[in-house]
Amino acid sequence: EVQLVESGGRLVRPGGSLRLSCEASELTVSDNYMSWVRQTPGKGLEWVAVLYRSGTAYYADSVRGRFTISRDDSKNTLYLQMSGLTVVDTAVYYCARIPLYYFDYWGHGTLVTVSS
Amino acid sequence: EIVLTQSPATLSFSPGERATLSCRASQSVYTYLAWYQQKPGQGPRLLIYDASKRATGIPARFSGSGSGTDFTLTISSLEPEDFAIYYCQQRANTITFGQGTRLEIK
Repeated sequence: EVQLVESGGRLVRPGGSLRLSCEASELTVSDNYMSWVRQTPGKGLEWVAVLYRSGTAYYADSVRGRFTISRDDSKNTLYLQMSGLTVVDTAVYYCARIPLYYFDYWGHGTLVTVSS
Repeated sequence: EIVLTQSPATLSFSPGERATLSCRASQSVYTYLAWYQQKPGQGPRLLIYDASKRATGIPARFSGSGSGTDFTLTISSLEPEDFAIYYCQQRANTITFGQGTRLEIK
């Protein structure tokens, strides 16, 4: 059974940085298109970034230049490095597989709270 | 950005009834539309993709239809486990989601 387990979410001050991890089992991260999606009560679900098998990455306008998606093939883990965090980045962050640009496997999410 | 509008925000039904949920796009997304179900504390679950194709393992009571700007998710006979929040998502132009429709027990 495919499992995606996110970690790394916590309280961080505005302007701070944070790295989220997504450890995969029964799924090889490097063989798949992988993505991060975030969810807030106010804005709902928002696609954040995608990483192709080739290593090419794309980002939502709202995070481009501040967030970086990457992977460690030896650890079968996807990452989201976040910097310049603001209160609007407060959300539950999910990693998901994204074949055909639909999300078919999701984790349970990790909560990032940006607050002073 | 393509805006997806799901209305109403909440629908109330009894188990066994037929439910129809709506998703309208601000411009054509062709058939590049998916539906997801989300329960508390869980990530969304893919139900339907490309407007009408059921994802692996999804029961036949779930069906999708539509093209262009108007889409429908139908649950033919509601089971107790179907009461949840449903989201639509388009992939025609970047990726955006609707705000969701909560399906609650009447």
